[in-house]
Amino acid sequence: AQRVTQPEKLLSVFKGAPVELKCNYSYSGSPELFWYVQYSRQRLQLLLRHISRESIKGFTADLNKGETSFHLKKPFAQEEDSAMYYCALPYSGAGSYQLTFGKGTKLSVIP
Amino acid sequence: SQTIHQWPATLVQPVGSPLSLECTVEGTSNPNLYWYRQAAGRGLQLLFYSVGIGQISSEVPQNLSASRPQDRQFILSSKKLLLSDSGFYLCAWSVGFDRVLSGANVLTFGAGSRLTVL
Repeated sequence: AQRVTQPEKLLSVFKGAPVELKCNYSYSGSPELFWYVQYSRQRLQLLLRHISRESIKGFTADLNKGETSFHLKKPFAQEEDSAMYYCALPYSGAGSYQLTFGKGTKLSVIP
Repeated sequence: SQTIHQWPATLVQPVGSPLSLECTVEGTSNPNLYWYRQAAGRGLQLLFYSVGIGQISSEVPQNLSASRPQDRQFILSSKKLLLSDSGFYLCAWSVGFDRVLSGANVLTFGAGSRLTVL
């Protein structure tokens, strides 16, 4: 069965420090991974997906199949990055499409 | 453009009372629809998903049920609420499975409904 693991419930960093939110997955096949973010009092929304190889708000994430990881990184944290971050792994089959989410990591950027 | 509406935003209900949370999507047709529950430290738990009218799949045994009476309407219900049903419920949609295969597979979430059972 597929699984997404985010080992840190809470991550606190100082403003300007590098950030790395960890995500490991278990999946037999070629995965397609996402990071979702939920800012205070806002909707859960897509941050980035590995297939796009994009940088959003300074964040990047690289899929490492050898380590089965998809860590989210940013070189210099900003206060506005404080939010709840979820790693997600989709799967499709039998005419359906679903997302399995990790338990989330709360990022707190200290001014 | 597509929008998703979810209501009520906040609900306080006594134990044993019924529940109805509603979700509607505009600007798309034949979407996949989902109900998730978000709990602190437990992440996002998929409760139900639907790929079409009247087609409901349950992921976790619950005191809850879901229905899809119309293409863009998804309802979460309970006949008798339990204290453990308290939580933050999120509705979401994605494009239909046929378009998932083309790579359009992002979930878009509603604003959520916070349920407190007393």
